[in-house]
Amino acid sequence: AQTVTQSQPEMSVQEAETVTLSCTYDTSESDYYLFWYKQPPSRQMILVIRQEAYKQQNATENRFSVNFQKAAKSFSLKISDSQLGDAAMYFCAYKRGNSGGSNYKLTFGKGTLLTVNP
Amino acid sequence: DSGVTQTPKHLITATGQRVTLRCSPRSGDLSVYWYQQSLDQGLQFLIQYYNGEERAKGNILERFSAQQFPDLHSELNLSSLELGDSALYFCASSVGYAGDEQFFGPGTRLTVL
Repeated sequence: AQTVTQSQPEMSVQEAETVTLSCTYDTSESDYYLFWYKQPPSRQMILVIRQEAYKQQNATENRFSVNFQKAAKSFSLKISDSQLGDAAMYFCAYKRGNSGGSNYKLTFGKGTLLTVNP
Repeated sequence: DSGVTQTPKHLITATGQRVTLRCSPRSGDLSVYWYQQSLDQGLQFLIQYYNGEERAKGNILERFSAQQFPDLHSELNLSSLELGDSALYFCASSVGYAGDEQFFGPGTRLTVL
């Protein structure tokens, strides 16, 4: 079974600074997807960024980028120029690839609570 | 706004009761997923439907059931409720059955007293 581990329960960053959230995962599959979701106090789950395992290039979405290390099974999220609105719980998630099988559920880590200080 | 709607937003009920949570997927999405978020278990996958048929099951209790209707909306039925069922229940949707991108609704907060 796949597992996702977020070793940092809480992180804090100063506004305009850069912060990196860590995520490691365990899988025996070679084809999979990794995601970062943001959950602000409103509790809405918002997809931040997605990475396909077969792509070597790290995904980027504006101020959000990932460092995907497939061999190390590591998938960290970097937030640049942090803003007050970035304060939220961030979840790392894993999904098997589309190469067969039947269960395409998301497996989540326990989350990292990010505080942004003004 | 993800385009996924869930009703009701909040639900307060008593132990032993039965409730129904409703989800409407984004326009064009055929898959619906249900997840439960609780303090002790975190975010857990319950069940997936694709175009009206059950596709995959996760850690869903026998007291819980779901279905997806011809108009693609889905309902999650929770019966014989226990205190431990108190949680945030999310519905997510995706275009295909493989769920390359799952978009979440705002959730239903269930409180069992």
